[in-house]
This record gives sequence, C-alpha cells and structure tokens, in this order.
Amino acid sequence: KNQVEQSPQSLIILEGKNCTLQCNYTVSPFSNLRWYKQDTGRGPVSLTIMTFSENTKSNGRYTATLDADTKQSSLHITASQLSDSASYICVVTLSNSGYALNFGKGTSLLVTP
Amino acid sequence: DGGITQSPKYLFRKEGQNVTLSCEQNLNHDAMYWYRQDPGQGLRLIYYSQIVNDFQKGDIAEGYSVSREKKESFPLTVTSAQKNPTAFYLCASSPGPNNSPLHFGNGTRLTVT
Repeated sequence: KNQVEQSPQSLIILEGKNCTLQCNYTVSPFSNLRWYKQDTGRGPVSLTIMTFSENTKSNGRYTATLDADTKQSSLHITASQLSDSASYICVVTLSNSGYALNFGKGTSLLVTP
Repeated sequence: DGGITQSPKYLFRKEGQNVTLSCEQNLNHDAMYWYRQDPGQGLRLIYYSQIVNDFQKGDIAEGYSVSREKKESFPLTVTSAQKNPTAFYLCASSPGPNNSPLHFGNGTRLTVT
C-alpha cells in the first residue's frame, strides 16, 4: 500500500493562474518531505525539502507547506508558466532510514496558453 | 558542469537477453541509486549503494544486478530473469542519506520485445 497519496492525479490550468497540489502521507516516523518536478522524459529535479520542524519552504514561484500533525503537504505554484507543465512528485523519507524514500505517484500538471 | 549521465537514452532488446544500463556521476557523491518508473506508479527502488564495493537490494531487486567498483559509476544489469523489464530507469546520487536531495539522471527507456 502506497503510503504517500497525491491529488489530484492530473490538473489543467490556464497560464498565469495559481494552483495547489496536495500530498497526504502515512509514513511514520517521518524525517523529511520533498517535492520534485519531472519534465516528460527527464529525471526529477528537487524543488524543496522540509524537515519535521519546517512548515513552509519557497523556491521562486513554488511554495511548499507542511503540517506534520495532519501529515499533509501542499505545493503552491504562483503565476503559472507553460514551462511548469510537468509531473510533480511528493517524496517522504522515513526517520533513521535515509535511503528509504516513499514516492507518491505524482500529479500531472498541464499549463495551457 | 557536475551531474549524472545515463546512457543510452533509449535501449531496445530481445527477450532473453541481458542488458546493462550505464550511470556515471561527477558530483563526488557517496550514495547512488537505481529506480524504476512505470506509468501511473511512483518510483520504486531497485538497488542502492552507500560506498564503493557495497550495495543493498531495494524493493524490487529480483532480476537485476549492480556493481560499484568506482565511486563515479553504478551500472545496472537487467537480466533475463526480470519478468517485465520494459520501463523507464532512473539513476540518482546524493551526498548521503537523510536530508540530502537526490540528483537524478535523465533516464534510460528500455523496451524489451
């Protein structure tokens, strides 16, 4: 059973609009949560990493939030651009097991003109 | 520029043949990983290596083999014992476990017919 669930599975938005992607996890004990962007046919690229004590982290137009109590994270994209079209993957790391990463299935985002 | 190079980008093989996927990094990272990505699924760990001459099985190691003779290189062999080898294979590296971000290569798409 996948311990990291992402929603929505796919999303279409107009260029310039904002959007929010969700990640719920049941992984415990928790070490950190990462968001990656994966362009089609390419490897994922790290956007943010948040530890248990952090509740928000920004990277340009990308802002990730984390609520460790409810085990929820979100990735907010501001003023979307066509180049934001990609799959966004949420990854949760088990505490004391740094090599054991739990990957979500990703949200596929399409930004249209 | 530092990074991870996977080759080839596309690979075609007949069923029953072994095939080796190349992964080279010049980031001086200790840890290297192999993941498999299938449509609609999260990344799944095949093997990882923390240091030279040492590697550990991941969640789906059956039908695969690896070696880590040099820090820079972590080739993956897909053997004929792998029942469903057609997939997108991603190699990654990191300085170490826990809060280190993964750096991914751009993948090799293997098709076995």
